[in-house]
Amino acid sequence: GAVVSQHPSWVICKSGTSVKIECRSLDFQATTMFWYRQFPKQSLMLMATSNEGSKATYEQGVEKDKFLINHASLTLSTLTVTSAHPEDSSFYICSARIEGGRTDTQYFGPGTRLTVL
Amino acid sequence: GNSVTQMEGPVTLSEEAFLTINCTYTATGYPSLFWYVQYPGEGLQLLLKATKADDKGSNKGFEATYRKETTSFHLEKGSVQVSDSAVYFCALGYNQGGKLIFGQGTELSVKP
Repeated sequence: GAVVSQHPSWVICKSGTSVKIECRSLDFQATTMFWYRQFPKQSLMLMATSNEGSKATYEQGVEKDKFLINHASLTLSTLTVTSAHPEDSSFYICSARIEGGRTDTQYFGPGTRLTVL
Repeated sequence: GNSVTQMEGPVTLSEEAFLTINCTYTATGYPSLFWYVQYPGEGLQLLLKATKADDKGSNKGFEATYRKETTSFHLEKGSVQVSDSAVYFCALGYNQGGKLIFGQGTELSVKP
C-alpha cells in the first residue's frame, strides 16, 4: 500500500529556534498534503492544506507566519515551526492525498513529536 | 460547526471480549463517516467507512453502522484480540481524501 514517511520522528529543541519536519510520499505522488496537530488525549486538529506549487491554506486560528509550509514537489511537503516555544510542543502528523478516477484517499505518516524546552 | 465526540479511554478488555467504542457526530449536510486505527509507531490507517445513512462499514471483524437518526457511528467487534490494541479514531468528512474532522481517539488495550 501507499506509504507516507515523516522525518524526524521526534525532535527536541530550545525555545526560539526553528524546526523543520518533512513529510514524504514514498511510492506515489500527492498533489495535496495535510498537516495535523495532536495534543495528548485530544483529537487531530487540521492545521493546513498544502498543494504542490502553491501556497498552503491555513485553518482558522493557525498562525501562518509561525507554521511555514512548503510543498515543493509531488512527494515532499515540509512544516517549519519558527521561533518555537514550549506551547508548540505537540505531535505533528501529515497525510498525503491520492486522487484520480474513482479513488480519493489519504494516507497518514507516523507523526513527529516536537518538544520545545 | 462539524464535530465528532468519542468515548474516553483507555478501554481495557480481555481477549475475546466484545468491544464497543461510541462515536457521535454533529454535521451539516451528508458527510461520510470513518474509523481509523493507529498502531504504536505507525500512521493512522483507514479501518472502515460508511458514506450514507444506514450503511454498514466492516473490516477485520470490526463493524460500524451510520445512524443518522441518532447521529452515531459506534465501532463494534465481537471478539477482540491482543493485536487489536491500538488507538481508534472516529472521523467525518465529505470525501475520504479531503478534510477530515476527528474525534479525540480511544485507546484500546487487550490483555491475554
